[in-house]
Amino acid sequence: AQSVTQLGSHVSVSEGALVLLRCNYSSSVPPYLFWYVQYPNQGLQLLLKYTSAATLVKGINGFEAEFKKSETSFHLTKPSAHMSDAAEYFCAVAGAGANSKLTFGKGITLSVRP
Amino acid sequence: KAGVTQTPRYLIKTRGQQVTLSCSPISGHRSVSWYQQTPGQGLQFLFEYFSETQRNKGNFPGRFSGRQFSNSRSEMNVSTLELGDSALYLCASSNYPGQGSDTQYFGPGTRLTVL
Repeated sequence: AQSVTQLGSHVSVSEGALVLLRCNYSSSVPPYLFWYVQYPNQGLQLLLKYTSAATLVKGINGFEAEFKKSETSFHLTKPSAHMSDAAEYFCAVAGAGANSKLTFGKGITLSVRP
Repeated sequence: KAGVTQTPRYLIKTRGQQVTLSCSPISGHRSVSWYQQTPGQGLQFLFEYFSETQRNKGNFPGRFSGRQFSNSRSEMNVSTLELGDSALYLCASSNYPGQGSDTQYFGPGTRLTVL
């Protein structure tokens, strides 16, 4: 079984400040890990994906995430928040194979203060 | 390439009715997955189709069903609608089945409201 925990439902930062969104996972097999972003009234957009090629994964819009197996974590960071980063962010985990399923966390709403 | 398209974008139904939602994947993609998103339960996997065959299924009642056509377009149907079925229904497509190794691309969703 696999699961994702995203602590807290809302994070607020000032424009220009560091963004840190936490994600911890549980998986019985080496996982694929994802961060998706959802803007209001839109679908999900892939920010980045961990595939075991490198522990530090760089994504779009200046986001990156680091896979830490010992901590079962995959936290999302961005050095400097922009107003356009305000959205809901989902961490997800999946196993390998043709029958693998994506399991999402509850999501975190990011607000950016001017 | 055009992205994943879903129709209709908004839908209002009453309890007891049935509804059909449509999803057209990215050209060349043969795998389509469906998800339900609600404020209370978050994002939950409904089912996945690949080459017209259901490959995987989530924990939803039999009122939820789907199918995939030879052109990879997919439909999902919900019969005997309940108030709790009000949700955003998201469709995602990828080249191959399995939601780990192959990246899924999501459509904008269909917002279903059940009155």
